[in-house]
Amino acid sequence: SAVISQKPSRDICQRGTSLTIQCQVDSQVTMMFWYRQQPGQSLTLIATANQGSEATYESGFVIDKFPISRPNLTFSTLTVSNMSPEDSSIYLCSVVGQANTEAFFGQGTRLTVV
Amino acid sequence: AQSVTQLDSQVPVFEEAPVELRCNYSSSVSVYLFWYVQYPNQGLQLLLKYLSGSTLVESINGFEAEFNKSQTSFHLRKPSVHISDTAEYFCAVIQGGGSYIPTFGRGTSLIVHP
Repeated sequence: SAVISQKPSRDICQRGTSLTIQCQVDSQVTMMFWYRQQPGQSLTLIATANQGSEATYESGFVIDKFPISRPNLTFSTLTVSNMSPEDSSIYLCSVVGQANTEAFFGQGTRLTVV
Repeated sequence: AQSVTQLDSQVPVFEEAPVELRCNYSSSVSVYLFWYVQYPNQGLQLLLKYLSGSTLVESINGFEAEFNKSQTSFHLRKPSVHISDTAEYFCAVIQGGGSYIPTFGRGTSLIVHP
C-alpha cells in the first residue's frame, strides 16, 4: 500500500491568485495523478505527473492553468493558476501501486475561490 | 475507451435494510474493478476489488460485489446497512494491459436513515 500526504487540506483563495498543492508519498511510485472532483460530481483526471518530464494533460486541461512538478518518485505539486470561482473543487493526488492493480488517494484539498 | 456507469446518483435506505449500488462498465479487454468509498470531508478509500479468480469479492465491513462479465456489471451489495455506511461510493475500472489509469463512475450517494 501507499500512504499519501496532501496539503493544504483546504483553503479559501481570492480570484486571480494561485495555489500550490503538495503531494508526498511514503514510497517510490511510478505513476502519480491529479484529479479534480467538482461538487456532486465524480473524479476527473487532470494529468499524469511524470518524473523528470512534462506532465501529460487530459483534454480540457492545460499546463498554463495547472502547472505540475514532479522532481522525484515520491513528490509532486499541482498549481491552480489565476483562480476563478469555477475552480472551486476538491483536488486529489493519486498513485497506482507497484502491481498496477490499485489506486491510492490523498485526503484531498478542498479549494474555495471567492 | 473504457467507461463506468453508476445509474443511481442517490440511494436512500433505512438502517438494517439491504442495499445494492449498481455499476456497469464498458471495455473490450480484461479489466480490474474497484469500489471506493468517500466519507464526508475525506479522500477515497478502497472498499473492495476484483482482479481475477472468484467473481464474488467481500470487504471487511460486510459489503460484497460480484463481477458479472456477461452483463459487464460489478454491483455492490450489503444485506444490512448501518448509519455509518452513509457516504459516497465510486465504482472504478482499470483496463488490464493498458495505461493503468483508473476511470471512475459519477458516484452514488448512500444515505442511511435511522
